[in-house]
Amino acid sequence: AQSVTQLDSQVPVFEEAPVELRCNYSSSVSVYLFWYVQYPNQGLQLLLKYLSGSTLVESINGFEAEFNKSQTSFHLRKPSVHISDTAEYFCAVSEKGNTPLVFGKGTRLSVIA
Amino acid sequence: DTGVSQNPRHKITKRGQNVTFRCDPISEHNRLYWYRQTLGQGPEFLTYFQNEAQLEKSRLLSDRFSAERPKGSFSTLEIQRTEQGDSAMYLCASSLVAFADTQYFGPGTRLTVL
Repeated sequence: AQSVTQLDSQVPVFEEAPVELRCNYSSSVSVYLFWYVQYPNQGLQLLLKYLSGSTLVESINGFEAEFNKSQTSFHLRKPSVHISDTAEYFCAVSEKGNTPLVFGKGTRLSVIA
Repeated sequence: DTGVSQNPRHKITKRGQNVTFRCDPISEHNRLYWYRQTLGQGPEFLTYFQNEAQLEKSRLLSDRFSAERPKGSFSTLEIQRTEQGDSAMYLCASSLVAFADTQYFGPGTRLTVL
């Protein structure tokens, strides 16, 4: 069985500062990894995913995440955050071969002007 | 492609009543998932379908919960004899098997049991 640990429940950061949201997973098999974002009063949206190939994946709005197999991590980073990035971020894992997602508890990112 | 839709968006009910939620997936998505999300937690898997077949059910899904996807398109989730502990956001997601099961979520149905 898989599990996901998001080490920080809340991360406050000033606008234009860099941010890293941490995610570690546990699994005995190969996995796919995902970051979803939930803006206030909206549904979950896929931010980025790692399936295979390059371990560094990017989103269209400047976030990136790097798959580190040896450390079983998939941390999310952005070099300069905006007020509009304020949201809840969820890391999720699924076993290769199409199984349900297992989510972490989420990290609430608050960007301060 | 209009995305995953869920109805109703909000439901308030009294303890002991039955409720039913509907999910319409992205057209041609053959997999449909149900998750539950409580305050301060990430979504937790309940059950999923491939076409009309229910492939897996979580141990979270008690006997009071039942889900159907009769024609492989929309799905319904019914909760019988609701309890206050059933209060949560119920999320539906759909995916195409061919695309590594990347799941796209609907806006959710928020259930409040009084």
